[in-house]
Amino acid sequence: GNSVTQMEGPVTLSEEAFLTINCTYTATGYPSLFWYVQYPGEGLQLLLKATKADDKGSNKGFEATYRKETTSFHLEKGSVQVSDSAVYFCALSADFGNEKLTFGTGTRLTIIP
Amino acid sequence: EAQVTQNPRYLITVTGKKLTVTCSQNMNHEYMSWYRQDPGLGLRQIYYSMNVEVTDKGDVPEGYKVSRKEKRNFPLILESPSPNQTSLYFCASSWTGGWNSPLHFGNGTRLTVT
Repeated sequence: GNSVTQMEGPVTLSEEAFLTINCTYTATGYPSLFWYVQYPGEGLQLLLKATKADDKGSNKGFEATYRKETTSFHLEKGSVQVSDSAVYFCALSADFGNEKLTFGTGTRLTIIP
Repeated sequence: EAQVTQNPRYLITVTGKKLTVTCSQNMNHEYMSWYRQDPGLGLRQIYYSMNVEVTDKGDVPEGYKVSRKEKRNFPLILESPSPNQTSLYFCASSWTGGWNSPLHFGNGTRLTVT
């Protein structure tokens, strides 16, 4: 079946540090890949997505590239801010007719001023 | 404002007492789904609905029921809640048309069953 493995957290960084959160996946066919972000007390919001190999998703300074050869979709940001503190979920969608997202376990990110 | 609204935000109940968590979306989405979020497990799908009167099981449907009588509403029903259903629940919706349509999530319902 489909699965997503995400970097264990929590992750604590200083403001302006470089961020990488690793994500690898297992899926049949050609999944779409997503990063969702959950701020405290809120639901998940789509951060970025990529729908085919070598696509790069980007939003709010975050980027992730769909690497089919390594089955990875690592999230990166060059300079994090305190407002980036949240829980980040990597997810894939490969169940045509359901649109189900298969989520990783989430990575809690805390940015210290 | 486009949104998915869940109620209540917090709910404490006792084992066996039937409860309903409501979910409503104002985006005319055809697809709706319920997830539960548990520490170390991420989010897991409970039920989903591709359209009115069409519902199907997700990965963890045991102990839950849903209905989709109208396009905008998708309530989650726990007929006889048990402590292992203590969790954070999210309703989500999206346009139909395949996997390229991002999900919009509600703010969650934190349920405690004692």
